[in-house]
Amino acid sequence: AQSVTQLGSHVSVSEGALVLLRCNYSSSVPPYLFWYVQYPNQGLQLLLKYTSAATLVKGINGFEAEFKKSETSFHLTKPSAHMSDAAEYFCAVTGSTASKLTFGTGTRLQVTL
Amino acid sequence: DAGVTQSPTHLIKTRGQHVTLRCSPISGHKSVSWYQQVLGQGPQFIFQYYEKEERGRGNFPDRFSARQFPNYSSELNVNALLLGDSALYLCASSPDGVNDWSPLHFGNGTRLTVT
Repeated sequence: AQSVTQLGSHVSVSEGALVLLRCNYSSSVPPYLFWYVQYPNQGLQLLLKYTSAATLVKGINGFEAEFKKSETSFHLTKPSAHMSDAAEYFCAVTGSTASKLTFGTGTRLQVTL
Repeated sequence: DAGVTQSPTHLIKTRGQHVTLRCSPISGHKSVSWYQQVLGQGPQFIFQYYEKEERGRGNFPDRFSARQFPNYSSELNVNALLLGDSALYLCASSPDGVNDWSPLHFGNGTRLTVT
C-alpha cells in the first residue's frame, strides 16, 4: 500500500521568499508521485509529476520537486513566492495507475506582503 | 476545449435520502474517476471506470455506486445518506487510466451537504 505524509498543514511565507512544502512517501513498489494545487471552490490542478525519469521535476508556475529515494521524500519548492500561489497543495502517490491516487492531507500556503 | 464538467455544483439533502452526481469527461477521455474530499482532508479515491467497466474501488460502503455511459459520462450514486457523506465530490478524467500515466483532469466538484 502507498501513502504520503505532508508535514505542516499551514505554511506562511512572505512574497518573494522561498516556498518549501514537504512530502514523504511510503510505498511497497516504485512510486509515482504528484503534486496538485487546489484554489478555493475549485478542483485540483496538476503542478508536476514524477514517473521514474529525472529525479528533479519541473512543473508549472515555477514550481519544482526533487525525488529522493534515500529520504523517501518529494518536497515541492519555488524560489520566489507570489501572492497568486496562495492555495492548498496536495502530494499524491500511486503504484498502479495514475487514476488511483492516494493523497496527503494537504498544506495550505499563505503568502503575505 | 471544455474541461471536466460536474453537476450540480451544490446540493443539500436530508439523511436517508439518495443522491445522484453527474460528470462529463474531457472529450476523448475514456476513463472517469470519483473522489470524495471531506473538509480539511485530501481527496479519497472512490471509483474508477474505463470503457463502462469498474476498474477500481476504494474503501467505501456499498451505499456508493457508479456507472459509466457509452459517451463516457458517469454518475455517482449514494444511497441512505449519512451526515458523514457531506463532502466535495470530485470527478476526474484521463485518456486511458489503465496503461498510461497521463495526469488526471479534475472538475470543480459537487458540494454535497447532508442535514
